[in-house]
Amino acid sequence: SQTIHQWPATLVQPVGSPLSLECTVEGTSNPNLYWYRQAAGRGLQLLFYSVGIGQISSEVPQNLSASRPQDRQFILSSKKLLLSDSGFYLCAWSRTRGAFFGQGTRLTVV
Amino acid sequence: GENVEQHPSTLSVQEGDSAVIKCTYSDSASNYFPWYKQELGKRPQLIIDIRSNVGEKKDQRIAVTLNKTAKHFSLHITETQPEDSAVYFCAAAQGGKLIFGQGTELSVKP
Repeated sequence: SQTIHQWPATLVQPVGSPLSLECTVEGTSNPNLYWYRQAAGRGLQLLFYSVGIGQISSEVPQNLSASRPQDRQFILSSKKLLLSDSGFYLCAWSRTRGAFFGQGTRLTVV
Repeated sequence: GENVEQHPSTLSVQEGDSAVIKCTYSDSASNYFPWYKQELGKRPQLIIDIRSNVGEKKDQRIAVTLNKTAKHFSLHITETQPEDSAVYFCAAAQGGKLIFGQGTELSVKP
């Protein structure tokens, strides 16, 4: 069966510090991979999605970036965090049905 | 790009009543429409989905309908129970891109 691992679960970072969130999927190959942000008020905002290694589509211009160094690994990064980057970040994968989410990372920028 | 509108944003029903959540999408190329349930503090979970070549799908107490011409789809929950209380999201997908609606907070009162 497929599983998705996302870490860390919570993170508190100062403004201006870098960020790296990692997500890996097991049990499938060539999945679509996604990063979403869920701010207070519950909407799921698509940040990046990838249909293959090295293929990243950015949906929202901002100071975040994503990379897919391996087939089942998706990384969300920032060089300098802003207060507005606080939120709940969710990684997800899909293959033939829907998308299946990781546990999420609650990021607080202070 | 795709835009998904979801209504209502909050919905309160009595236990045993039915609940209906409606979504519209803008991109006629979208061909897959999943629905998710998110309980407080947890990740969204896929509950039912429908593809563009199907008009209706049912799974026990939940059903989804799709009107491709009007570009809208709906979630129907019958015989609601307190454990159905959660935030529900619709989504539209095409070509690997998955866009979510803003969510509906459903409250089922005993």
